[in-house]
Amino acid sequence: AQKITQTQPGMFVQEKEAVTLDCTYDTSDQSYGLFWYKQPSSGEMIFLIYQGSYDEQNATEGRYSLNFQKARKSANLVISASQLGDSAMYFCAMRENSNDYKLSFGAGTTVTVRA
Amino acid sequence: DAGVIQSPRHEVTEMGQEVTLRCKPISGHDYLFWYRQTMMRGLELLIYFNNNVPIDDSGMPEDRFSAKMPNASFSTLKIQPSEPRDSAVYFCASSLARQPLNTEAFFGQGTRLTVV
Repeated sequence: AQKITQTQPGMFVQEKEAVTLDCTYDTSDQSYGLFWYKQPSSGEMIFLIYQGSYDEQNATEGRYSLNFQKARKSANLVISASQLGDSAMYFCAMRENSNDYKLSFGAGTTVTVRA
Repeated sequence: DAGVIQSPRHEVTEMGQEVTLRCKPISGHDYLFWYRQTMMRGLELLIYFNNNVPIDDSGMPEDRFSAKMPNASFSTLKIQPSEPRDSAVYFCASSLARQPLNTEAFFGQGTRLTVV
């Protein structure tokens, strides 16, 4: 069964606008971690932001924020004030206690920022 | 810290040949992951280790694939014999075992494998 679901294969966003990337997950654990990574065209995987299941506040890192809705099992990434350099593939990932802390990834969403 | 180091960065080999991919994790990291990325299948976890011990190899596609971690600073992923469908980018990543739920994995630059 798919643990991480990213339903948007590709998105376009205008420069300086915000964009929301969807991520839903499946777990029966109470304690788990959610991560977002960026993969630009150069290919490297860059960690962006983390959200713990017990965190009461939504995580933020600069222009990145996480809209965490635990009851709905969603952890959407919001990129504010998009820049051309934000054009990349974005992956949502999860680690679970019951799954030996395996780091599982979704299929990814490609974001293209237009000038 | 130099980060996760993978070698080679690119590998082109002929079908049937043995291929060995190498990874040096970040010093002090206890978890090591091997992923394969293709357009068709996305990012797949092949195998991962904790303290040099394989925890889950259910993602290894076939017996042609094997992985070892003889010590905390080195791991290999071997394909023997290689086939064209093994062409992909192979990533190695490592993370700390302490509080693994909130610890991100750091990725190497990847090895782009082409089997002709």
